[in-house]
Amino acid sequence: AQSVAQPEDQVNVAEGNPLTVKCTYSVSGNPYLFWYVQYPNRGLQFLLKYITGDNLVKGSYGFEAEFNKSQTSFHLKKPSALVSDSALYFCAVRDIGRNYGQNFVFGPGTRLSVLP
Amino acid sequence: DGGITQSPKYLFRKEGQNVTLSCEQNLNHDAMYWYRQDPGQGLRLIYYSQIVNDFQKGDIAEGYSVSREKKESFPLTVTSAQKNPTAFYLCASTTTGGAANEQFFGPGTRLTVL
Repeated sequence: AQSVAQPEDQVNVAEGNPLTVKCTYSVSGNPYLFWYVQYPNRGLQFLLKYITGDNLVKGSYGFEAEFNKSQTSFHLKKPSALVSDSALYFCAVRDIGRNYGQNFVFGPGTRLSVLP
Repeated sequence: DGGITQSPKYLFRKEGQNVTLSCEQNLNHDAMYWYRQDPGQGLRLIYYSQIVNDFQKGDIAEGYSVSREKKESFPLTVTSAQKNPTAFYLCASTTTGGAANEQFFGPGTRLTVL
């Protein structure tokens, strides 16, 4: 069965410092990996995805993520955090070997707080 | 929130009532999904539909029903059989042309049982 873990419920970082939000996954086949951000009382917004190729993926709002196959990880990163980055972040995995409709699996979310 | 609209934004339900949440998309996506979000539990799949007039149960379908009469619309009914319906409900859609396609989400409906 596929699964996604986000080991940290909460990440605190000072504005201007680099940030990392961690994600590890488990799938039976090749993973397609996604990061989403959610602001309070809003839907999820797509940030970036890894499909194949370069392990470093660049996305919206200056975010990037690094795919590591041996560690089955897909950590979200940003070189310099902004207070406006404070939100809930979800990692998701899609295993194309699974039944089509049910093959998006989301992690529990990590709340990022950027302190001024 | 892309081309997906959900209404209402806030909904209050009395015990024993059925309520219907609306989801409409203008992205020409074939697949549509309903998720429930509770604090600390991420997103859980209620129902999904890959094509008009067809839909499948997700992980927590009990107490919910859906219809897919039009490509653009995928309404969710929360029935009185759902014992704990207070939650944030999210609708999403995606193309079916490839597994690499991300989901697009609506703004959500917050349902509260009085």
